[in-house]
Amino acid sequence: DAEITQSPRHKITETGRQVTLACHQTWNHNNMFWYRQDLGHGLRLIHYSYGVQDTNKGEVSDGYSVSRSNTEDLPLTLESAASSQTSVYFCASSRGRGYEQYFGPGTRLTVT
Amino acid sequence: GDSVTQMEGPVTLSEEAFLTINCTYTATGYPSLFWYVQYPGEGLQLLLKATKADDKGSNKGFEATYRKETTSFHLEKGSVQVSDSAVYFCALSKSGGSNYKLTFGKGTLLTVNP
Repeated sequence: DAEITQSPRHKITETGRQVTLACHQTWNHNNMFWYRQDLGHGLRLIHYSYGVQDTNKGEVSDGYSVSRSNTEDLPLTLESAASSQTSVYFCASSRGRGYEQYFGPGTRLTVT
Repeated sequence: GDSVTQMEGPVTLSEEAFLTINCTYTATGYPSLFWYVQYPGEGLQLLLKATKADDKGSNKGFEATYRKETTSFHLEKGSVQVSDSAVYFCALSKSGGSNYKLTFGKGTLLTVNP
């Protein structure tokens, strides 16, 4: 069955370190998204991609970057982790305009 | 810009009670509307969707009707179960242009007691 996976599921890192969160989908979807989830804020879009070599900033993109070298993967990099980036991160993918998004299980990141 | 407003939680109900979670939206054009559910420790799962006015989405006893005149997509269930305890998110997706993004409400925590 097609799926979307994230790794690691839990990560503790120190302030200032670079961290990369992996997202891999086997739906063959062109559209992929990264969100963060925080109490009181719901889900906020960090970056998204509509296809290979395409990346776009979301509403909370500062301090994050993504790259899309193939259809299946959209890794999220925190260039220099900050305590404000402690959150749960979700990756999602979708077939196209107006279609639902399929979500991964999430990565809980703690920056100490 | 686009926005989704959900009723503030938490909502606490007894088993077999009737559930309504209100959702209203602001968007230009004709968005698709979704309800997602998030069980503890898990990612979001699509619960139901509607893609045009007057459509009714339904799944697992939950229903929601796309009301363009009131810009609403309220979630209802006639008889909730303990297993329905979760966070519920209303969301919209534009159907025009190149915008494939979802805009989410802040979520409503539902707790169902036996």
